Amino acid sequence: AQSVTQLGSHVSVSEGALVLLRCNYSSSVPPYLFWYVQYPNQGLQLLLKYTSAATLVKGINGFEAEFKKSETSFHLTKPSAHMRDAAEYFCAVSAIQGAQKLVFGQGTRLTINP
Amino acid sequence: EAGVVQSPRYKIIEKKQPVAFWCNPISGHNTLYWYRQNLGQGPELLIRYENEEAVDDSQLPKDRFSAERLKGVDSTLKIQPAELGDSAVYLCASKAGGTYNEQFFGPGTRLTVL
Repeated sequence: AQSVTQLGSHVSVSEGALVLLRCNYSSSVPPYLFWYVQYPNQGLQLLLKYTSAATLVKGINGFEAEFKKSETSFHLTKPSAHMRDAAEYFCAVSAIQGAQKLVFGQGTRLTINP
Repeated sequence: EAGVVQSPRYKIIEKKQPVAFWCNPISGHNTLYWYRQNLGQGPELLIRYENEEAVDDSQLPKDRFSAERLKGVDSTLKIQPAELGDSAVYLCASKAGGTYNEQFFGPGTRLTVL
């Protein structure tokens, strides 16, 4: 079975500061890992995904994440936060075998302070 | 390319009333998902369709929830009768064929049961 734990339900950073959102996963098979962003009253939008190729994955809006098998982590980072980055972020895991079924973490709400 | 369309966007009903949600996936996407997102939580899968066949409905509360995807395109999710605990956002997502493709999410229907 697969599961995801996002450490910190709320993260607040200043504009221009580093953004770090933490995600740890549990999977009985090699996982696919995803980060989604959800703006208020909108659906989820894919930021980036790890599918067993390069361990450092670059996504949209300047975000990137690094897959670390030894730490079972897939933390999301952005060097410099913008006000428009304020949103809810979800980490998700999917079994690499079989159909794609996503198991989401509880989410981290990112607040950007001016 | 049009995204996943859902309607209505908002629905307020009294408990014990029926309610239905509609989803039109991206054209050509064979896989369709219904998720429920409780407040402050990540989405949880209710049912997954491959074309018109429900291939994973293990999380669907079958005593009151039903879904259909006639002709393998549009889908409807129904609750009858609704309970207070059904208040949530119901998200529809679709995916093109192939294991590794991205799920695209609609904006969701926010259900409030009074």
